Amino acid sequence: DAGVIQSPRHEVTEMGQEVTLRCKPISGHNSLFWYRQTMMRGLELLIYFNNNVPIDDSGMPEDRFSAKMPNASFSTLKIQPSEPRDSAVYFCASSPARRGNTIYFGEGSWLTVV
Amino acid sequence: AQTVTQSQPEMSVQEAETVTLSCTYDTSESDYYLFWYKQPPSRQMILVIRQEAYKQQNATENRFSVNFQKAAKSFSLKISDSQLGDAAMYFCAYRSVYSGGGADGLTFGKGTHLIIQP
Repeated sequence: DAGVIQSPRHEVTEMGQEVTLRCKPISGHNSLFWYRQTMMRGLELLIYFNNNVPIDDSGMPEDRFSAKMPNASFSTLKIQPSEPRDSAVYFCASSPARRGNTIYFGEGSWLTVV
Repeated sequence: AQTVTQSQPEMSVQEAETVTLSCTYDTSESDYYLFWYKQPPSRQMILVIRQEAYKQQNATENRFSVNFQKAAKSFSLKISDSQLGDAAMYFCAYRSVYSGGGADGLTFGKGTHLIIQP
């Protein structure tokens, strides 16, 4: 079975540019999570969706960040405009709806903003 | 809110030896799940093992086993017969089962960097 698929794997962009990260969750999983990993702050939950509906976006750092899930098989995380401090690894993850189920991660998107 | 603490930033073990990584957590909930994830240099987050809090039996997966002490809120990972491929960051994580328990998702510790010496 295919796991969580993220794209791009690596992105280098200039400050001020728009960045869009994409995610395809595991088929049949109802919950989708976006995490960010940095050396300073570790792994942080940015936002999560249940059945395509955003449930909690309190982890989104600023209004420059937005996330959408237009259907059960696709989600985006957008940063506009990007800043150097946004450089991080961004993970998408999914799980079946019931809490307690294992959360499966994609390979991550390495973002560098110069 | 729940917190997860990994007090060992780095551990080193000889190949073929056994190593134990520590994890403690704080929660007021009685039912929850605990996980260990492995993150090799590729940065992929890989599930190692999972424990359900209401199960007294410690989970095992081949060379990986846990020592779950619910009263002490302790969840350590034991790796037996360490192999070079075990070298990675290891993260302990907590997931609530209660919809009223705040945000869903995993609460992570800061990780333990495991070095395997040949």
